Amino acid sequence: AQRVTQPEKLLSVFKGAPVELKCNYSYSGSPELFWYVQYSRQRLQLLLRHISRESIKGFTADLNKGETSFHLKKPFAQEEDSAMYYCALSRDNYGQNFVFGPGTRLSVLP
Amino acid sequence: GAGVSQSPSNKVTEKGKDVELRCDPISGHTALYWYRQRLGQGLEFLIYFQGNSAPDKSGLPSDRFSAERTGESVSTLTIQRTQQEDSAVYLCASSTLGGENIQYFGAGTRLSVL
Repeated sequence: AQRVTQPEKLLSVFKGAPVELKCNYSYSGSPELFWYVQYSRQRLQLLLRHISRESIKGFTADLNKGETSFHLKKPFAQEEDSAMYYCALSRDNYGQNFVFGPGTRLSVLP
Repeated sequence: GAGVSQSPSNKVTEKGKDVELRCDPISGHTALYWYRQRLGQGLEFLIYFQGNSAPDKSGLPSDRFSAERTGESVSTLTIQRTQQEDSAVYLCASSTLGGENIQYFGAGTRLSVL
């Protein structure tokens, strides 16, 4: 069965510092990977997906099939990046077996 | 509507009572998902609907939990004989099938079982 792990429950960085939120997955097929974000008092929303290969709010994530990882990176963290981040995997583009990781709370300190 | 709507936004109930949580997905979204989010924890998958059928009910924690969907639209999640450990935020999401495969989430229902 597919599984998503996020080893850090909480990550604190200073404003302007680089940030990397780790995500590893286990799935034998070709999954689709996503990062979702939940800002304080807002809905959970999509941040980015690996197939679109775009940078959103300065964040990027590269799918590394060899390491089965999809780490989220940003070179210079901002205070408004403080939020809960979830890595997620979809087994196929028909939405079945959509699995979320446990989440990492990012706190960007002034 | 413009987004996924869930009602009620908050529900306080006594242990042993039944509760019904409602989700109105985005119009035209064929797939609908229910998740549970306990305080300080991640998302726990409960059930997934494709149209009105539920090919994956594997996440329902016990037979006290059930869900249905009608008209490929509204879904209700029912919890019978609620227990204190059922206290959580229940999130609903909808998406199209194939193509975009992005889940759009509701604001959730916060359930408190006293």
